[in-house]
Amino acid sequence: DGGITQSPKYLFRKEGQNVTLSCEQNLNHDAMYWYRQDPGQGLRLIYYSQIVNDFQKGDIAEGYSVSREKKESFPLTVTSAQKNPTAFYLCATHSSSPTGNTIYFGEGSWLTVV
Amino acid sequence: GESVGLHLPTLSVQEGDNSIINCAYSNSASDYFIWYKQESGKGPQFIIDIRSNMDKRQGQRVTVLLNKTVKHLSLQIAATQPGDSAVYFCAELPHKFYFGSGTKLNVKP
Repeated sequence: DGGITQSPKYLFRKEGQNVTLSCEQNLNHDAMYWYRQDPGQGLRLIYYSQIVNDFQKGDIAEGYSVSREKKESFPLTVTSAQKNPTAFYLCATHSSSPTGNTIYFGEGSWLTVV
Repeated sequence: GESVGLHLPTLSVQEGDNSIINCAYSNSASDYFIWYKQESGKGPQFIIDIRSNMDKRQGQRVTVLLNKTVKHLSLQIAATQPGDSAVYFCAELPHKFYFGSGTKLNVKP
Protein backbone atom coordinates (compact mmCIF):
# COMPACT_ATOMS: atom_id res chain seq x y z
CA ASP A 1 0.00 0.00 0.00
CA GLY A 2 1.19 3.53 -0.68
CA GLY A 3 1.55 5.89 2.21
CA ILE A 4 3.54 7.10 5.15
CA THR A 5 4.71 4.79 7.90
CA GLN A 6 5.72 6.10 11.28
CA SER A 7 7.32 3.91 13.89
CA PRO A 8 7.18 3.13 16.67
CA LYS A 9 3.60 4.02 17.50
CA TYR A 10 4.45 4.32 21.20
CA LEU A 11 7.87 5.06 22.64
CA PHE A 12 9.07 5.62 26.18
CA ARG A 13 12.25 7.53 26.85
CA LYS A 14 14.27 7.86 29.98
CA GLU A 15 15.52 11.30 30.84
CA GLY A 16 18.87 12.00 29.24
CA GLN A 17 18.38 9.56 26.38
CA ASN A 18 18.21 10.31 22.69
CA VAL A 19 15.47 8.56 20.74
CA THR A 20 14.77 8.41 17.02
CA LEU A 21 11.35 8.35 15.39
CA SER A 22 11.14 6.81 11.97
CA CYS A 23 9.18 8.17 9.01
CA GLU A 24 9.17 6.28 5.71
CA GLN A 25 7.15 7.08 2.59
CA ASN A 26 6.66 5.30 -0.70
CA LEU A 27 4.72 8.13 -2.34
CA ASN A 28 7.77 9.52 -4.15
CA HIS A 29 7.15 12.93 -2.60
CA ASP A 30 10.02 15.39 -2.37
CA ALA A 31 8.95 17.32 0.70
CA MET A 32 8.68 15.88 4.19
CA TYR A 33 7.77 17.48 7.53
CA TRP A 34 7.81 16.80 11.24
CA TYR A 35 5.21 18.30 13.57
CA ARG A 36 4.75 18.14 17.30
CA GLN A 37 1.30 18.14 18.87
CA ASP A 38 0.69 18.54 22.58
CA PRO A 39 -2.61 17.34 24.08
CA GLY A 40 -5.46 19.63 23.17
CA GLN A 41 -3.25 21.84 21.06
CA GLY A 42 -2.42 22.46 17.43
CA LEU A 43 0.46 21.32 15.22
CA ARG A 44 3.84 22.99 15.51
CA LEU A 45 6.49 22.61 12.83
CA ILE A 46 9.80 21.11 14.01
CA TYR A 47 11.77 20.52 10.79
CA TYR A 48 11.06 20.19 7.12
CA SER A 49 12.93 18.98 4.06
CA GLN A 50 12.07 19.90 0.50
CA ILE A 51 14.72 17.75 -1.13
CA VAL A 52 17.21 15.03 -0.31
CA ASN A 53 20.25 16.17 1.68
CA ASP A 54 18.59 19.43 2.64
CA PHE A 55 16.41 20.40 5.59
CA GLN A 56 15.31 23.53 7.39
CA LYS A 57 14.36 24.38 10.95
CA GLY A 58 10.76 25.00 11.78
CA ASP A 59 9.46 26.98 14.72
CA ILE A 60 10.47 24.60 17.53
CA ALA A 61 13.65 22.90 16.27
CA GLU A 62 15.63 23.23 19.50
CA GLY A 63 16.38 19.83 21.02
CA TYR A 64 15.62 17.96 17.78
CA SER A 65 17.68 16.83 14.82
CA VAL A 66 16.86 15.28 11.44
CA SER A 67 18.54 13.80 8.40
CA ARG A 68 17.41 13.30 4.82
CA GLU A 69 19.85 10.89 3.21
CA LYS A 70 17.16 9.19 1.15
CA LYS A 71 14.01 10.51 -0.45
CA GLU A 72 11.93 7.89 1.31
CA SER A 73 13.15 8.53 4.82
CA PHE A 74 13.12 11.49 7.22
CA PRO A 75 13.97 10.33 10.75
CA LEU A 76 13.58 12.65 13.73
CA THR A 77 15.89 12.40 16.73
CA VAL A 78 14.67 13.79 20.01
CA THR A 79 17.80 14.63 21.93
CA SER A 80 18.40 14.99 25.65
CA ALA A 81 18.46 18.74 25.08
CA GLN A 82 14.69 18.67 24.52
CA LYS A 83 13.47 19.24 28.06
CA ASN A 84 9.82 18.46 27.53
CA PRO A 85 9.57 15.88 24.76
CA THR A 86 6.37 14.14 25.81
CA ALA A 87 4.02 14.71 22.87
CA PHE A 88 2.42 13.27 19.74
CA TYR A 89 4.71 13.49 16.71
CA LEU A 90 3.39 13.62 13.17
CA CYS A 91 5.30 13.14 9.94
CA ALA A 92 3.90 14.45 6.68
CA THR A 93 4.76 14.59 3.00
CA HIS A 94 3.83 17.10 0.35
CA SER A 95 2.74 16.50 -3.20
CA SER A 96 2.45 19.28 -5.76
CA SER A 97 0.82 18.77 -9.15
CA PRO A 98 -0.93 20.88 -11.79
CA THR A 99 -4.23 19.89 -10.21
CA GLY A 100 -3.33 20.88 -6.70
CA ASN A 101 -1.36 20.38 -3.53
CA THR A 102 -1.95 18.26 -0.53
CA ILE A 103 -0.22 17.02 2.57
CA TYR A 104 -0.33 13.38 3.59
CA PHE A 105 0.11 12.47 7.25
CA GLY A 106 1.36 9.40 8.99
CA GLU A 107 -0.56 7.96 11.93
CA GLY A 108 1.78 9.56 14.45
CA SER A 109 4.10 8.45 17.23
CA TRP A 110 3.46 8.95 20.93
CA LEU A 111 6.59 9.76 22.92
CA THR A 112 6.53 9.69 26.71
CA VAL A 113 9.37 10.50 29.07
CA VAL A 114 9.53 8.21 32.08
CA GLY B 1 -3.05 30.58 10.80
CA GLU B 2 0.11 29.52 12.61
CA SER B 3 -0.26 27.30 15.59
CA VAL B 4 1.42 28.76 18.65
CA GLY B 5 0.51 26.12 21.17
CA LEU B 6 -2.77 27.68 22.22
CA HIS B 7 -5.53 25.49 23.61
CA LEU B 8 -8.17 24.59 21.10
CA PRO B 9 -11.49 26.45 20.96
CA THR B 10 -14.50 24.17 21.04
CA LEU B 11 -17.68 24.25 19.00
CA SER B 12 -20.66 22.23 20.21
CA VAL B 13 -23.54 21.53 17.83
CA GLN B 14 -26.62 19.38 17.84
CA GLU B 15 -26.73 16.40 15.54
CA GLY B 16 -28.39 17.41 12.28
CA ASP B 17 -27.49 21.10 12.58
CA ASN B 18 -24.99 22.83 10.33
CA SER B 19 -21.50 23.61 11.66
CA ILE B 20 -19.26 26.50 10.73
CA ILE B 21 -15.59 26.39 11.66
CA ASN B 22 -13.43 29.43 11.10
CA CYS B 23 -9.75 30.00 10.48
CA ALA B 24 -7.66 33.14 10.07
CA TYR B 25 -4.53 32.79 7.97
CA SER B 26 -1.44 34.93 8.11
CA ASN B 27 0.24 35.06 4.71
CA SER B 28 -1.49 37.09 2.02
CA ALA B 29 0.76 35.39 -0.56
CA SER B 30 -0.62 31.95 0.25
CA ASP B 31 -2.32 30.52 -2.80
CA TYR B 32 -3.68 27.25 -1.55
CA PHE B 33 -5.62 26.26 1.54
CA ILE B 34 -6.59 22.90 2.95
CA TRP B 35 -8.93 21.74 5.71
CA TYR B 36 -8.02 18.68 7.73
CA LYS B 37 -9.91 16.56 10.23
CA GLN B 38 -8.09 14.89 13.09
CA GLU B 39 -9.69 12.22 15.23
CA SER B 40 -8.28 11.53 18.66
CA GLY B 41 -4.89 9.79 18.54
CA LYS B 42 -4.73 9.72 14.75
CA GLY B 43 -3.05 11.69 12.00
CA PRO B 44 -5.00 14.46 10.23
CA GLN B 45 -7.03 13.53 7.16
CA PHE B 46 -7.65 15.70 4.12
CA ILE B 47 -11.20 17.07 3.81
CA ILE B 48 -11.27 19.73 1.13
CA ASP B 49 -9.02 22.32 -0.49
CA ILE B 50 -9.39 25.65 -2.25
CA ARG B 51 -7.16 27.82 -4.41
CA SER B 52 -6.79 31.52 -3.79
CA ASN B 53 -8.50 32.35 -7.10
CA MET B 54 -11.74 30.85 -5.78
CA ASP B 55 -14.21 32.09 -3.18
CA LYS B 56 -16.10 28.89 -2.59
CA ARG B 57 -15.76 25.19 -3.13
CA GLN B 58 -18.21 22.44 -2.30
CA GLY B 59 -17.65 18.82 -1.47
CA GLN B 60 -19.85 16.15 -0.02
CA ARG B 61 -21.62 17.81 2.94
CA VAL B 62 -18.77 20.31 3.25
CA THR B 63 -18.22 23.77 1.81
CA VAL B 64 -15.13 25.94 2.14
CA LEU B 65 -15.37 29.72 1.83
CA LEU B 66 -12.37 31.97 1.30
CA ASN B 67 -12.32 35.69 2.02
CA LYS B 68 -8.96 37.04 0.92
CA THR B 69 -9.79 40.58 1.91
CA VAL B 70 -9.77 39.70 5.60
CA LYS B 71 -7.63 36.55 5.26
CA HIS B 72 -10.37 34.31 6.56
CA LEU B 73 -11.31 30.75 5.75
CA SER B 74 -14.36 28.83 6.88
CA LEU B 75 -15.52 25.24 6.72
CA GLN B 76 -19.23 24.53 6.69
CA ILE B 77 -20.49 21.05 7.49
CA ALA B 78 -24.09 20.34 6.61
CA ALA B 79 -26.28 18.06 8.74
CA THR B 80 -23.53 17.40 11.26
CA GLN B 81 -23.23 13.79 12.40
CA PRO B 82 -21.61 12.22 15.49
CA GLY B 83 -18.82 10.92 13.23
CA ASP B 84 -17.90 14.52 12.48
CA SER B 85 -16.68 15.00 16.05
CA ALA B 86 -12.97 15.75 15.74
CA VAL B 87 -10.47 18.58 15.64
CA TYR B 88 -10.42 20.59 12.42
CA PHE B 89 -7.35 22.43 11.13
CA CYS B 90 -6.76 24.73 8.21
CA ALA B 91 -3.40 24.89 6.48
CA GLU B 92 -1.95 27.47 4.10
CA LEU B 93 0.59 26.94 1.33
CA PRO B 94 3.19 27.23 -0.23
CA HIS B 95 6.59 27.17 1.37
CA LYS B 96 6.29 25.87 4.88
CA PHE B 97 3.01 24.37 5.92
CA TYR B 98 1.43 26.27 8.72
CA PHE B 99 -1.66 25.04 10.45
CA GLY B 100 -4.28 27.02 12.28
CA SER B 101 -4.62 26.32 15.97
CA GLY B 102 -7.60 24.11 15.27
CA THR B 103 -11.17 23.87 16.48
CA LYS B 104 -12.63 20.94 18.35
CA LEU B 105 -16.09 20.03 17.11
CA ASN B 106 -18.39 18.22 19.55
CA VAL B 107 -21.59 16.81 18.08
CA LYS B 108 -24.34 16.22 20.62
CA PRO B 109 -26.83 13.43 19.84
